Amino acid sequence: DQQVKQNSPSLSVQEGRISILNCDYTNSMFDYFLWYKKYPAEGPTFLISISSIKDKNEDGRFTVFLNKSAKHLSLHIVPSQPGDSAVYFCAAYSGAGSYQLTFGKGTKLSVIP
Amino acid sequence: DVKVTQSSRYLVKRTGEKVFLECVQDMDHENMFWYRQDPGLGLRLIYFSYDVKMKEKGDIPEGYSVSREKKERFSLILESASTNQTSMYLCASSLFTSGSKNIQYFGAGTRLSVL
Repeated sequence: DQQVKQNSPSLSVQEGRISILNCDYTNSMFDYFLWYKKYPAEGPTFLISISSIKDKNEDGRFTVFLNKSAKHLSLHIVPSQPGDSAVYFCAAYSGAGSYQLTFGKGTKLSVIP
Repeated sequence: DVKVTQSSRYLVKRTGEKVFLECVQDMDHENMFWYRQDPGLGLRLIYFSYDVKMKEKGDIPEGYSVSREKKERFSLILESASTNQTSMYLCASSLFTSGSKNIQYFGAGTRLSVL
């Protein structure tokens, strides 16, 4: 049973426009969410995170929104740049003392110049 | 900067071989993890370790074992490699801070092909 779902395997966006990547989760115990970015032949790199006590976190061009009632989070990238082309993974922790991150399957973002 | 180093970027092994994947981190992190990444399946946790000589099974431990004799080093062992273990293997590490959630830092990955 997939607890973190990224329903769009791929997304194409024009350079300069907004990219919106979506993530849904089913486990109500998840309380901390992270986004990772992965280029081919490299390991994932941490991008931005959000705690369940917040509904928004912003870092430069990247903003993550959390809607707890809908069990939905989204990553906004504004403006999108060609270097943002990568696979983006949504991940979640559950509960205090949890070691295990649960990852979604990823969304491949292509930013077209 | 946190550095997680995986000893090999690419490996080609034969079916039935014993395979060792090595991972070293330089930030004194307590937690270390092994994942595999397959197309369309995302990252799946194989094993993790929260202390030296301690290990816990993840979601897909079958066919794998691990070893953590030193804090900085975490090894993944394929006792008898099979073709369905062809995959990208990713090592990660994180601090342990009680009550907090910590970022996992990943190595560059080892692409293993089992023929």
